[in-house]
Amino acid sequence: AQTVTQSQPEMSVQEAETVTLSCTYDTSENNYYLFWYKQPPSRQMILVIRQEAYKQQNATENRFSVNFQKAAKSFSLKISDSQLGDTAMYFCAFMTTDSWGKLQFGAGTQVVVTP
Amino acid sequence: SQTIHQWPATLVQPVGSPLSLECTVEGTSNPNLYWYRQAAGRGLQLLFYSVGIGQISSEVPQNLSASRPQDRQFILSSKKLLLSDSGFYLCAWSVGGVSNIQYFGAGTRLSVL
Repeated sequence: AQTVTQSQPEMSVQEAETVTLSCTYDTSENNYYLFWYKQPPSRQMILVIRQEAYKQQNATENRFSVNFQKAAKSFSLKISDSQLGDTAMYFCAFMTTDSWGKLQFGAGTQVVVTP
Repeated sequence: SQTIHQWPATLVQPVGSPLSLECTVEGTSNPNLYWYRQAAGRGLQLLFYSVGIGQISSEVPQNLSASRPQDRQFILSSKKLLLSDSGFYLCAWSVGGVSNIQYFGAGTRLSVL
């Protein structure tokens, strides 16, 4: 069974600064997908970024980028130029390619952006 | 464009009462559908998923059941609610077949008293 671990329950960052969230996972699969979702106070789950395991290039999406280390089974998220609207719970999630889209989520990291 | 609707947004129910939460998707055909539960301060746990009408797979044993009476409708039910059923329930969809991106509804906050 796959597990996803987010070791940082909460992180605080000032506006315009950079914060990095860590995520590690455990799997014996070679092909899979990794995701970061954010859940703002509204509780709506929003996709932030996706990474395909067979791609060596790290995914980027505007101010969000990942550092994917397949051998280390690590998938960190970097938020650059943090904005107040980035305040949310961030979840790392894992999916194998043959699982019919079943996501395995980590426990989440609460990010608080301060003025 | 595709949209997902989930209702009600909030529900307070007494222990032992029945439950019906509904989720519908618009703008796509034959989606994969999912029900998740999120306990307070925790991540999401997959409860059920469906790859087609009448096809339901359960991920964890529990007091809940799911049904998919129509292609884009997914219902979460219980005959008798327990206190432990309280939580935040999220419905999600993805493109049918082997896909990866899931899109979530706004969720239902269920309080069982």
